[in-house]
Amino acid sequence: DAGVIQSPRHEVTEMGQEVTLRCKPISGHNSLFWYRQTMMRGLELLIYFNNNVPIDDSGMPEDRFSAKMPNASFSTLKIQPSEPRDSAVYFCAASQGQLNSALHFGNGTRLTVT
Amino acid sequence: AQSVTQLDSHVSVSEGTPVLLRCNYSSSYSPSLFWYVQHPNKGLQLLLKYTSAATLVKGINGFEAEFKKSETSFHLTKPSAHMSDAAEYFCVVSTNRGSTLGRLYFGRGTQLTVWP
Repeated sequence: DAGVIQSPRHEVTEMGQEVTLRCKPISGHNSLFWYRQTMMRGLELLIYFNNNVPIDDSGMPEDRFSAKMPNASFSTLKIQPSEPRDSAVYFCAASQGQLNSALHFGNGTRLTVT
Repeated sequence: AQSVTQLDSHVSVSEGTPVLLRCNYSSSYSPSLFWYVQHPNKGLQLLLKYTSAATLVKGINGFEAEFKKSETSFHLTKPSAHMSDAAEYFCVVSTNRGSTLGRLYFGRGTQLTVWP
């Protein structure tokens, strides 16, 4: 099993541009999470899906952020327009959706907005 | 309400000496507790988890943690540190009931440095 796969690993873009981050979860893991990690705020949950349906998006900072999960094997997190304060490492994680299930994290996408 | 407090942002030990990373939690319901490790430029990896079975939980790489309900603690220990243990460690609580069912709450992390 290849684990959770995120792309790209690094993204550098200019303020105002659209950014799309991608995630391929582990097959059979029906819960998917998007996290953001910064030095200032630590690890923050942005949104999570269960069986491709968004369950809790209360962590999404503002309307510039959107996330989709069109099928069980793919999810995207989009920022439009991007701003320098969006610079962070974005992680995708998957679990089997049970109460005590562990999260399996991807290696993250390091986003830099100049 | 649920929360996690990692009492030390940085811990430094010498190779071969014991490791203690402290974690206290607050939970309105019976919690599940986890420790994750993050190596540089990597995602978080599960070390161990407590799910209301044995209070002493053994994990990977020689780590273990003890759930103490009376102290609301879940400290992570290892008898002898190895250079490869240098990383950031996160304590996580998950609620088993209520409106926040299954939601995970992360501590701010403890950076472990191991000196040769």
